[in-house]
Amino acid sequence: RKEVEQDPGPFNVPEGATVAFNCTYSNSASQSFFWYRQDCRKEPKLLMSVYSSGNEDGRFTAQLNRASQYISLLIRDSKLSDSATYLCVVNKGSARQLTFGSGTQLTVLP
Amino acid sequence: GAVVSQHPSWVICKSGTSVKIECRSLDFQATTMFWYRQFPKQSLMLMATSNEGSKATYEQGVEKDKFLINHASLTLSTLTVTSAHPEDSSFYICSANGLAGAWSYNEQFFGPGTRLTVL
Repeated sequence: RKEVEQDPGPFNVPEGATVAFNCTYSNSASQSFFWYRQDCRKEPKLLMSVYSSGNEDGRFTAQLNRASQYISLLIRDSKLSDSATYLCVVNKGSARQLTFGSGTQLTVLP
Repeated sequence: GAVVSQHPSWVICKSGTSVKIECRSLDFQATTMFWYRQFPKQSLMLMATSNEGSKATYEQGVEKDKFLINHASLTLSTLTVTSAHPEDSSFYICSANGLAGAWSYNEQFFGPGTRLTVL
């Protein structure tokens, strides 16, 4: 089993749509959770950290369920500029090393 | 946020040669740097973790004699791919976290990556 598993995608959605990505992780000792976005041939950039209480940043909402070891990202009112690969990222227990999911590709269509 | 640079941004080399990639933290002290590799349509895979002044810790399956990592200062880490072969062609990305004045960054800051093509 992979340490971090994500929806394989790709997701092709029209502008304005709401899209949700899911992710599960295997290491119950993980303490930090993130969503990164990666544009083609670029480095990943932090989109948002994910907290147990859930957190929202504009059109983006992230949720964490520690009991189920499940993380989600919701994007509302999709924009063309949201087209990217979204990476679910978990730290390795208490260490600083990050484990990346394989990513879910999103294409927002005009 | 903090800035991490990488050099070169891309390199093409012949099989059997060695390639050095530099990773620099520009405005903070990187106590820890990480090196990743990403093959096409795959996610980032951690290769090694390096702490300033000590030997790097390599992930399982990564040959330490092939991928030499040096982290001699708080702002510079280098990855040398020795005797590169076509299967080493990949996108190599470094990241760093550390200290800036009184603050300790938990976030990792990524460099822009180096695209290596071995002919």
